[in-house]
Amino acid sequence: AQSVSQHNHHVILSEAASLELGCNYSYGGTVNLFWYVQYPGQHLQLLLKYFSGDPLVKGIKGFEAEFIKSKFSFNLRKPSVQWSDTAEYFCAVNAGNNRLAFGKGNQVVVIP
Amino acid sequence: DTEVTQTPKHLVMGMTNKKSLKCEQHMGHRAMYWYKQKAKKPPELMFVYSYEKLSINESVPSRFSPECPNSSLLNLHLHALQPEDSALYLCASSPPGGGLNNEQFFGPGTRLTVL
Repeated sequence: AQSVSQHNHHVILSEAASLELGCNYSYGGTVNLFWYVQYPGQHLQLLLKYFSGDPLVKGIKGFEAEFIKSKFSFNLRKPSVQWSDTAEYFCAVNAGNNRLAFGKGNQVVVIP
Repeated sequence: DTEVTQTPKHLVMGMTNKKSLKCEQHMGHRAMYWYKQKAKKPPELMFVYSYEKLSINESVPSRFSPECPNSSLLNLHLHALQPEDSALYLCASSPPGGGLNNEQFFGPGTRLTVL
């Protein structure tokens, strides 16, 4: 079964700092990759996804992610965070069997 | 219509109550899902329906009973729940096939509290 690893579960940074969240998955075949965000007390929202093509994917709210197949990674980045980016971030992998495997999440706190 | 709706938004119930959660989508999706999410944890898959048939049950206790009356509706019937069942219950749907290039669309969830 596929699994997803997210490191640095708690991230605290100041506004305007750059953010990078790591995501590694274990699955040798073709995968679809997703990053979801969950703001405090709110529901899961899709930030961006990778199906195929350009490995650099741009999402909403200035986020982007890069798929590196050789490293089984799909890291999320934002050059300059805002206080409103305080949220829980989940990486997920769909390996084509109606199952979405989630990582444990990164809790990101942005200090104004 | 590109959204998944869930009702109610909040539910408080006692351990002897019977209640139901409802999920609806009108995107023509033929796979629907129930997830349970505890605070600051990822969603955990509970059930998957594919073409209105239960295809995955992740060993969920029988006090949770799913139902898919038609391709647009998904219910989760609750009976004799425990306080540890308090969580956010998320519904999702995805296009037919279950293969790759298949995105799940999530609803806003029902926040359940069991007293």
